[in-house]
Amino acid sequence: AQTVTQSQPEMSVQEAETVTLSCTYDTSESDYYLFWYKQPPSRQMILVIRQEAYKQQNATENRFSVNFQKAAKSFSLKISDSQLGDAAMYFCAVPSGTYKYIFGTGTRLKVLA
Amino acid sequence: GAVVSQHPSRVICKSGTSVKIECRSLDFQATTMFWYRQFPKQSLMLMATSNEGSKATYEQGVEKDKFLINHASLTLSTLTVTSAHPEDSSFYICSASSGTGVETQYFGPGTRLLVL
Repeated sequence: AQTVTQSQPEMSVQEAETVTLSCTYDTSESDYYLFWYKQPPSRQMILVIRQEAYKQQNATENRFSVNFQKAAKSFSLKISDSQLGDAAMYFCAVPSGTYKYIFGTGTRLKVLA
Repeated sequence: GAVVSQHPSRVICKSGTSVKIECRSLDFQATTMFWYRQFPKQSLMLMATSNEGSKATYEQGVEKDKFLINHASLTLSTLTVTSAHPEDSSFYICSASSGTGVETQYFGPGTRLLVL
């Protein structure tokens, strides 16, 4: 069965510092995407970054980057130069079957001024 | 681009009534739409997947007669909670994908349902 684990319920980071959120998963799919979504207090799910599993190069979007280890089934999110607006719940999403994804339990990120 | 709207954003209803929630993709055609439920401080739980013109596929444990899903067009899916009860109170979120679902899902802002 497909599973996803976010082992850090909560993380804190000082403003302008760097933080890494972890996500491990198990899937039987061979070609898939992985996602990190952010959910601020408004509860709107916002796409942060997407990684294509067949690409060896780690995805990068401005201050957000991924460390994707396919063999280890690890997909961590690094946030550089953290800002107060980065405070939110972060969910990783991994494939579960052909057409759908499952979400991890989330990591609450606090940014300290 | 890739904007998904959801209406209403909040609804309060009496026990026994039915509530309809609309999910629209505003600037792309949504081949696949998904409906999730989220309890406070918990993750998203997939309820069902719908493809335009087809019957929805429900996740195990989700009552299809309770949660009616209609994906009538490439830009609109509706979720109707029939004979709502207080335990149906939750945050319901839809998402839409232009592909089969393995591509990026774009989320609506969610609907908070409170059943009295």
